[in-house]
Amino acid sequence: DARVTQTPRHKVTEMGQEVTMRCQPILGHNTVFWYRQTMMQGLELLAYFRNRAPLDDSGMPKDRFSAEMPDATLATLKIQPSEPRDSAVYFCASGGLRSLIIGNEQFFGPGTRLTVL
Amino acid sequence: KQEVTQIPAALSVPEGENLVLNCSFTDSAIYNLQWFRQDPGKGLTSLLLIQSSQREQTSGRLNASLDKSSGRSTLYIAASQPGDSATYLCAVGVQGAQKLVFGQGTRLTINP
Repeated sequence: DARVTQTPRHKVTEMGQEVTMRCQPILGHNTVFWYRQTMMQGLELLAYFRNRAPLDDSGMPKDRFSAEMPDATLATLKIQPSEPRDSAVYFCASGGLRSLIIGNEQFFGPGTRLTVL
Repeated sequence: KQEVTQIPAALSVPEGENLVLNCSFTDSAIYNLQWFRQDPGKGLTSLLLIQSSQREQTSGRLNASLDKSSGRSTLYIAASQPGDSATYLCAVGVQGAQKLVFGQGTRLTINP
């Protein structure tokens, strides 16, 4: 049963603390995305990787957020220092070329619900 | 900049009805369009993916259509059931990249 996994599922922390969220993409998928969902903004793309290389992180506040993919089975999103406005659900998604006709489809993990006090 | 709009924001219908959810986008140069379902407190489940060269896709009671020239997609749900209650999100794949731009979603409630 191939699926995207994310840890932790829930995280409560205090302002100023470092937060690290982890994602394991579906085996064989070559593209990994990080999204943030809030009531006000909906789903926003933060960053994405293809073949472990960062392609676009324009949606991410560079001063406090960083995204890496140390190997093909692990992607991380780090916030340092965290702020209350970072409270949101962070989703990881992975995609791969199903076929030349169907093209890329994205599969989402269950998300990490982050609360920064 | 691509913008995606979903109307209505919320919809409540009795069980058994056929219904249509709407999605519009401002830039017709899209790579693909994907419909998702999101249950409260859960992640997103992919329902249907339509490539830019396709007109529609079907899966069970769901049918999604795409009209690129007018910047519209519809999700048709036949014979709705209470289990269909969820938020439905439309997302457009930006041409040249595989990143998605999401609409705000339609919150659907099917009443028994």
